Amino acid sequence: NAGVTQTPKFRVLKTGQSMTLLCAQDMNHEYMYWYRQDPGMGLRLIHYSVGEGTTAKGEVPDGYNVSRLKKQNFLLGLESAAPSQTSVYFCASSRAKQGPDTQYFGPGTRLTVL
Amino acid sequence: QQQVKQSPQSLIVQKGGISIINCAYENTAFDYFPWYQQFPGKGPALLIAIRPDVSEKKEGRFTISFNKSAKQFSLHIMDSQPGDSATYFCAASFSTGNQFYFGTGTSLTVIP
Repeated sequence: NAGVTQTPKFRVLKTGQSMTLLCAQDMNHEYMYWYRQDPGMGLRLIHYSVGEGTTAKGEVPDGYNVSRLKKQNFLLGLESAAPSQTSVYFCASSRAKQGPDTQYFGPGTRLTVL
Repeated sequence: QQQVKQSPQSLIVQKGGISIINCAYENTAFDYFPWYQQFPGKGPALLIAIRPDVSEKKEGRFTISFNKSAKQFSLHIMDSQPGDSATYFCAASFSTGNQFYFGTGTSLTVIP
């Protein structure tokens, strides 16, 4: 049982390049989330999904797109990377439950945009 | 606008001492308040959580104190150990949602 895994662990991009971050969970969770973590800013929600085929915007969605084609996977895309998107990205998942539930986080992806 | 304000930004405590981290919120509709612990290079992990129908919750050396009228809650770590050195995040959520609003984090260092 690997929990939540993220690919890749590190990535360096040039401004304007695109990339996709992959999140996978093996806990059969319905809900999945993408956060970014910046010094002094805490964790901020980018997008989230409450089930396969659904996505919704979080606090800081601009410049990112997501897809949830399979229940176990949640993809985060950057179409045209900018230096402001340099950050550590965390994926999380939780059960489908009325009300908030524990979110289980992946190990993170450190992205640098030059 | 930061929904949850957390302080201090960093904290240094002697081994065996008490670590106290404070959080404040404005939205009275929040009704779930978890604390997450994050070690370097790892993702955050749930440490302890409280709902506003109780004023205190204790799990081992970790205690959440909740003051509903002041809209504040705090994490107390008793008998702090070097292994507790990590970044701690408070968060808040609505009962009907799954979106967490995180504080800015506190870097705790426990020195031997």
